[in-house]
Amino acid sequence: DAKTTQPNSMESNEEEPVHLPCNHSTISGTDYIHWYRQLPSQGPEYVIHGLTSNVNNRMASLAIAEDRKSSTLILHRATLRDAAVYYCILRADGQNFVFGPGTRLSVLP
Amino acid sequence: DAGITQSPRHKVTETGTPVTLRCHQTENHRYMYWYRQDPGHGLRLIHYSYGVKDTDKGEVSDGYSVSRSKTEDFLLTLESATSSQTSVYFCATRSPSGNTIYFGEGSWLTVV
Repeated sequence: DAKTTQPNSMESNEEEPVHLPCNHSTISGTDYIHWYRQLPSQGPEYVIHGLTSNVNNRMASLAIAEDRKSSTLILHRATLRDAAVYYCILRADGQNFVFGPGTRLSVLP
Repeated sequence: DAGITQSPRHKVTETGTPVTLRCHQTENHRYMYWYRQDPGHGLRLIHYSYGVKDTDKGEVSDGYSVSRSKTEDFLLTLESATSSQTSVYFCATRSPSGNTIYFGEGSWLTVV
């Protein structure tokens, strides 16, 4: 399975943008980049995913490097509710979702 | 949201007893999963199912068995619970497109 590298933890101030990085230098051409987050005492939830182009949805934006060896999840205005563990996952069709340790995001009021 | 219900949500059991956790989904998703989550290890896949009666092992399957007799139900059984199986267990289903995995709220199991 292709692996990802994320910082263990990050801090942000409320109402400021947050850029969560993910390195995946061994990504293959068929790997999609998925982001999930896990709020305290809950199961993980879907945030966004993409293959090559940048993606936007109501929760976040996903910026994918041109060589696809890294990506960044962007939360445009962090709220206290965004405090969670964020997981960056590579997955090709037919593979299972493999969760790494993720990045623990703290949002300061 | 894939309408996933896990039961029981919390359980304390004694070492050596069998335990069954149930996962019920309402979306008719073909793929279902059982993960466990422990401090320092993150989420690890125990078993998964790709259809009725079709199951396969994940990363940490020793000491666990599963059954899927109906599309909507996926059971995880600890045949003889040990203290190392104290954990939070999450059930999940996968969307037909394969792009999204939905998790239940978790089952907290303590083996004493």
